[in-house]
Amino acid sequence: AQSVTQPDIHITVSEGASLELRCNYSYGATPYLFWYVQSPGQGLQLLLKYFSGDTLVQGIKGFEAEFKRSQSSFNLRKPSVHWSDAAEYFCAVGAPGGSYIPTFGRGTSLIVHP
Amino acid sequence: NAGVTQTPKFQVLKTGQSMTLQCAQDMNHNSMYWYRQDPGMGLRLIYYSASEGTTDKGEVPNGYNVSRLNKREFSLRLESAAPSQTSVYFCASGPTGDEQFFGPGTRLTVL
Repeated sequence: AQSVTQPDIHITVSEGASLELRCNYSYGATPYLFWYVQSPGQGLQLLLKYFSGDTLVQGIKGFEAEFKRSQSSFNLRKPSVHWSDAAEYFCAVGAPGGSYIPTFGRGTSLIVHP
Repeated sequence: NAGVTQTPKFQVLKTGQSMTLQCAQDMNHNSMYWYRQDPGMGLRLIYYSASEGTTDKGEVPNGYNVSRLNKREFSLRLESAAPSQTSVYFCASGPTGDEQFFGPGTRLTVL
């Protein structure tokens, strides 16, 4: 079975600063990897996903993530954070084939200071 | 397209009462899911349905039942609500093996 860890419960950055949110997974092969964002009082929205191919993935809202097989990581980055990026971010991992049941991390809350 | 819709948006129950949370999707997805979200716990899977006519337990199924009424609809039932079921409930759907699309959630309080 797969698992995913988001080591940081909260991250605080200043507006305009760069951002990196960490995600580590456990799975025997290359999994499907996702990042979702949840604004307060809303459901989750997909930012980006990785299935195979180019390990640097571009998403919506200026986010990108890099798959690093050697580190079992899929960290989310943004070069310049906007106040509207304040939200909860979830990393998820899915196992290709069979019954497809994605596993979610516990989330990282992003706080943006003006 | 409405995407994934959930009703109701808010609900307050007394211990022992029953209720059904409704979920519908108009994207022709095979897979549908019910999650609960609690502070610091992330999303925990309650039940899922890989296709019409099939349902399976997730991580936290106790106290819940589900029905995949047709391809569009997947309902979650609490037969006898308990305070521990106070949570935000999310329904999601998706093509098998791909991203999930989430509804806006139902905020349930059990007194």
